[in-house]
Formats: sequence, C-alpha cells, structure tokens
Amino acid sequence: EAQVTQNPRYLITVTGKKLTVTCSQNMNHEYMSWYRQDPGLGLRQIYYSMNVEVTDKGDVPEGYKVSRKEKRNFPLILESPSPNQTSLYFCASSSVGQVPNQPQHFGDGTRLSIL
Amino acid sequence: QKEVEQNSGPLSVPEGAIASLNCTYSDRGSQSFFWYRQYSGKSPELIMSIYSNGDKEDGRFTAQLNKASQYVSLLIRDSQPSDSATYLCAVVSSGGSYIPTFGRGTSLIVHP
Repeated sequence: EAQVTQNPRYLITVTGKKLTVTCSQNMNHEYMSWYRQDPGLGLRQIYYSMNVEVTDKGDVPEGYKVSRKEKRNFPLILESPSPNQTSLYFCASSSVGQVPNQPQHFGDGTRLSIL
Repeated sequence: QKEVEQNSGPLSVPEGAIASLNCTYSDRGSQSFFWYRQYSGKSPELIMSIYSNGDKEDGRFTAQLNKASQYVSLLIRDSQPSDSATYLCAVVSSGGSYIPTFGRGTSLIVHP
C-alpha cells in the first residue's frame, strides 16, 4: 500500500529538548515536504526536498532543520523547541509531474505540544 | 504577500444538491491550482488540480478556473453526507520554488 508514515503521531515535550519527527514514503517519490497546520492559518510549508541531498526552505523554516540522506526518508528536527512550535505537522510526498513541490500524499500527521 | 482566500463556512447543502466552493488568490503569476479534502482529524487528500482557464471534470467534481478574475472554484454534484469535510484550495506560482500557498479552507456540511 502506498503510504507516507510519520512518527510519532503525538508528542508532548518541554521547551529546549531536541526532538525528531520521522517521515518515510514507499512510493519512490522525488519530492518530500513538511507542513504545519494551525487554526486560522491553514497549511504552511516548512521545508521541502526535490531529491536526495537537495533541501530548501519553505515559508516558515525558522526553528526547524531537515535532512534527506535517503530518498524515502525526510526527518524534521527541532533542535530547541519552543511553545510557538506547538502545532499539527504533516509530511507529504509527490512524484515528478507537471508542478514540482505539489503535495500528492500526506502522512497521518504528528500533533506536537511543547510546554 | 501571496494570499489565498476562502470563505470558512460552514456551507450547508442538502443531500443531492450541488455544493459550490470558491477560492480567490492575489498573485497574478499563479499557474497551478489544487483542491484538497480534509476530514476532521485526518490528513488532506488531493482531489483535483487545474492549470488552464475553464472547467475540468472528474466524476462528481468539477474545478473551474478564471485567471482574469483570479478565482478558482470546486463544484460537487449530487452531494453526499460523506462529502462533509473541509476543502482546501492551494495555489502555486510559476518560477522559483513552487511553494504552494493554501487557503484556510471551507467547511462543507451535507445534510440528509
């Protein structure tokens, strides 16, 4: 089954404690991206990657890091989380198509709470 | 600042009716337009994409694009209670990074 898998699904942590949200896709997609979804603000892209070792900032990259060492994996790293990063996070992937960086498949989401 | 505007709703329609969801955007350079459906507590699903002026039909869904007026709409024919969800409009400009800008979504309720 084609899927994008995120872990963990829920996480409550404290300010300053480094965390990583993993994302893996089994569709051999070139493009992967991270979004956060906040009430009243909609989905906003954090980072995206167009292939292995190629990453770039989205609209709201501050406080986040990513890496793309393998095609299937695209972890999101919060090195020093702060309460304003409390949000619902989605990883997405897409294949090479007419429009690069257009999310086709989303993971189930990670609800992150930072106290 | 690129903006994508949607009426938050809720839009309430009876079963079997046509639901019409609208989206306007500010960037005249926008080239690609997408509609996603998001059920409560779930992740978004891509349902339609449209790139040229006019209509594009896929089953019960029709996307309509008017670049001159800077709006894109989604029509759902023969609406079903299972169509009740939030519908997100996303717009991508040409050139550069192709970062999509999402609207805040319109909540649709289809009542039996």
